[in-house]
Amino acid sequence: DVQMTQSPATLSASVGDRVTITCRASQSISNCLAWYQQRPGKAPKLLIYMASTLEPGVPSTFSGSGSGTEFTLTISSLQPEDVATYYCQQYITYPLTFGGGTKVGI
Amino acid sequence: EVQLVDSGGDLVQPGGSLRLSCAVFGFTFSDHYMDWVRQAPGKGLEWVGRMRNKARSYTTEYAASVKGRFTISRDDSKNSLYLQMNSLKTEDTAVYYCARASSTSGRWYFDLWGRGTLVTVSS
Repeated sequence: DVQMTQSPATLSASVGDRVTITCRASQSISNCLAWYQQRPGKAPKLLIYMASTLEPGVPSTFSGSGSGTEFTLTISSLQPEDVATYYCQQYITYPLTFGGGTKVGI
Repeated sequence: EVQLVDSGGDLVQPGGSLRLSCAVFGFTFSDHYMDWVRQAPGKGLEWVGRMRNKARSYTTEYAASVKGRFTISRDDSKNSLYLQMNSLKTEDTAVYYCARASSTSGRWYFDLWGRGTLVTVSS
């Protein structure tokens, strides 16, 4: 199985800060990586797919980069509504696997 | 409105069975692969399984933790997805989400999620 490791597990930042979350895969997954946002008590929501393609309707403050085994999700200017847990997920091979999540607070 | 409505969650005893449903609205259900993903209380996301579309002969994939106990099915005429869960264990307690998968270059990621339905396995 492909193990997905996210860091940090939690982070706290101020409104307007630039925030970066890292996701590492245990083997190469090309660019088959998605990022999801899960606000408290809500279902996950797709932010980014193919490592760097922004889902329509997602604010441009979110961006993704990377390929192979190292990926990042960046929030260029943290807003109060960005308080959530963020998950990366590989979709190149079965079983599909998620990172453990990064809880972002303000 | 494009949405997924999952239902059927309940309290069930260990060893029991339960069937979850996911009703689909606002898009062509038959075009998409469909998945189930679960989340144990206070934990992260865990993929449960996938059913491909008719073009791919409705084939399935399952996580090792549920293979042989859970079965995914779909009825394209009713725009519905199902998860039959047998031999339930306490560790199956979770919110279960149905998720629509969409494709880029033949790789399928989750682009739409239901609100989830809670399954509690306890005596």
